[in-house]
Amino acid sequence: GQQLNQSPQSMFIQEGEDVSMNCTSSSIFNTWLWYKQEPGEGPVLLIALYKAGELTSNGRLTAQFGITRKDSFLNISASIPSDVGIYFCAGQLGKGAQKLVFGQGTRLTINP
Amino acid sequence: GAGVSQTPSNKVTEKGKYVELRCDPISGHTALYWYRQSLGQGPEFLIYFQGTGAADDSGLPNDRFFAVRPEGSVSTLKIQRTERGDSAVYLCASSLPLAGGGVNEQFFGPGTRLTVL
Repeated sequence: GQQLNQSPQSMFIQEGEDVSMNCTSSSIFNTWLWYKQEPGEGPVLLIALYKAGELTSNGRLTAQFGITRKDSFLNISASIPSDVGIYFCAGQLGKGAQKLVFGQGTRLTINP
Repeated sequence: GAGVSQTPSNKVTEKGKYVELRCDPISGHTALYWYRQSLGQGPEFLIYFQGTGAADDSGLPNDRFFAVRPEGSVSTLKIQRTERGDSAVYLCASSLPLAGGGVNEQFFGPGTRLTVL
């Protein structure tokens, strides 16, 4: 089936550093989304991207929808302790198709 | 307001037993989704309901898995003859009625952690 390749798998950074993670796919997606998941909770939507080339910000988070529609990145600037968690990219394949395909996740750990 | 709730939060069962997992979506959300998340992986789609009907069940791994949503609100995921490989967190999500074929944000519940011994 469709797969999203997300990297890196894990990151260990110092508080205040910037973070970058990305996702690639062999399939074209109409929509890319970035979620964050904390222990014992379901994923929470951070940013949604709807157009190829689109660059969207949400506070310290910035994400881009690749021009080929096969990739996306998420940047977090000036990381803080509450940024700790697992970040997932997800894609929606076609218009009207509501199934989401998720990447394997990037586990972010922050040293204070 | 209340988010998506799932019960039980944890379920331990023995191989071969039958289990039911329940999902209460956000009030007014007509779309409901089930995903399965294995340890260290992202969620994998199982099935999606629009109202009472299953609009896409392509993610159900085999015929031991079945889901219903008889009144268009609460949904139950049913697993027969459980196997150790069924152990995972089962996540439910709901979203508002679709508009123009685009994506409506899926709000996830906390999940049910199923352990098959």
